[in-house]
Amino acid sequence: DTAVSQTPKYLVTQMGNDKSIKCEQNLGHDTMYWYKQDSKKFLKIMFSYNNKELIINETVPNRFSPKSPDKAHLNLHINSLELGDSAVYFCASSQAPSAPYEQYFGPGTRLTVT
Amino acid sequence: AQSVTQPDIHITVSEGASLELRCNYSYGATPYLFWYVQSPGQGLQLLLKYFSGDTLVQGIKGFEAEFKRSQSSFNLRKPSVHWSDAAEYFCAVAEDKIIFGKGTRLHILP
Repeated sequence: DTAVSQTPKYLVTQMGNDKSIKCEQNLGHDTMYWYKQDSKKFLKIMFSYNNKELIINETVPNRFSPKSPDKAHLNLHINSLELGDSAVYFCASSQAPSAPYEQYFGPGTRLTVT
Repeated sequence: AQSVTQPDIHITVSEGASLELRCNYSYGATPYLFWYVQSPGQGLQLLLKYFSGDTLVQGIKGFEAEFKRSQSSFNLRKPSVHWSDAAEYFCAVAEDKIIFGKGTRLHILP
């Protein structure tokens, strides 16, 4: 019954490694997002996909690469992890890309880079 | 450019007391406004939203918010808080993309 799910929930890894976070939504939504929440709880959008097409790409290092194999999935791959990448990453989805459609969030993936 | 300000980083209230969390926005047209709540270790959950019409909107968990165009505000209120309301609260404004405020952490005293 989970609407937006993410795996893994926790991810601990060393600097320089490559890791992926997966996201799936079963709401039938067209649009999916990745957000980064830092230690001060500030939530910042990273990417948005609509029907598998990239529509928002904020200023994010190109070590971060989203991939959307279909409308229901949006994965985030991170190369050469750095200490500053430690954060909670949230996936979200909405019916359409623009207001007034609210977003539904996954439970988050806490990434710790050591 | 659109922006959202939540002036209070932390708010502490006693259980049973009333609550008001402040949110101010900067936006050119009629905004789409939201309040989300994030419980510890959880994702964000929508409490309520305003698009148009009645400026007082009701949400889940007994929350309400009032849109005041003259003050560019969308404050969240609850008449009597419960210990389970302790969480982080985010105000957000949307046009082509949603912008979140920096959040207000609500602490509840027993």
